[in-house]
Amino acid sequence: DTAVSQTPKYLVTQMGNDKSIKCEQNLGHDTMYWYKQDSKKFLKIMFSYNNKELIINETVPNRFSPKSPDKAHLNLHINSLELGDSAVYFCASSEAGGSTDTQYFGPGTRLTVL
Amino acid sequence: AQSVTQLDSHVSVSEGTPVLLRCNYSSSYSPSLFWYVQHPNKGLQLLLKYTSAATLVKGINGFEAEFKKSETSFHLTKPSAHMSDAAEYFCVVSDRSNDMRFGAGTRLTVKP
Repeated sequence: DTAVSQTPKYLVTQMGNDKSIKCEQNLGHDTMYWYKQDSKKFLKIMFSYNNKELIINETVPNRFSPKSPDKAHLNLHINSLELGDSAVYFCASSEAGGSTDTQYFGPGTRLTVL
Repeated sequence: AQSVTQLDSHVSVSEGTPVLLRCNYSSSYSPSLFWYVQHPNKGLQLLLKYTSAATLVKGINGFEAEFKKSETSFHLTKPSAHMSDAAEYFCVVSDRSNDMRFGAGTRLTVKP
């Protein structure tokens, strides 16, 4: 059973389009995250949700809007896609978001904007 | 503010020789420190973590790391590299809830 799953695995789209990436965790965790990994492998946190509530919103364009319908899901919607949005996006979850908690990562979604 | 610096962007070793991946951190509080591994086209997997217990932490696949507060370091080591260890390694610091800061990563190459 996959603990943290993301769909789709690959996403190729044109500039200006709107797209969504879905994330689900079956670990019963309260906290979920979205990270962006750029072409140089640098990982940066974008959002953190605890029990469906937004906890962290780093400096991310407001074209990015996370949505958490329940604590097992955290979807990422991106409006008006730009070339610079091309990256690998990782979803993760942790038990309660504490500083000692292990984060469990999904397999990633490779987004390519043409 | 918490941050982490991985001192080498790329490390190359021969199979069977020791591995050392260096990490220094900065934190205003008592941090938790983690090492994650990312194999090509895969998600990240926890290797080990330090959370204020024993300073020498043993992880999976024979890796270990030592927390040295005086040196603000958390270097990752393995006595003998295996070809399957070739991957990207990330050192991570967390000193508050819901926030982990990743290093830039170290790519480990293992030569036969």
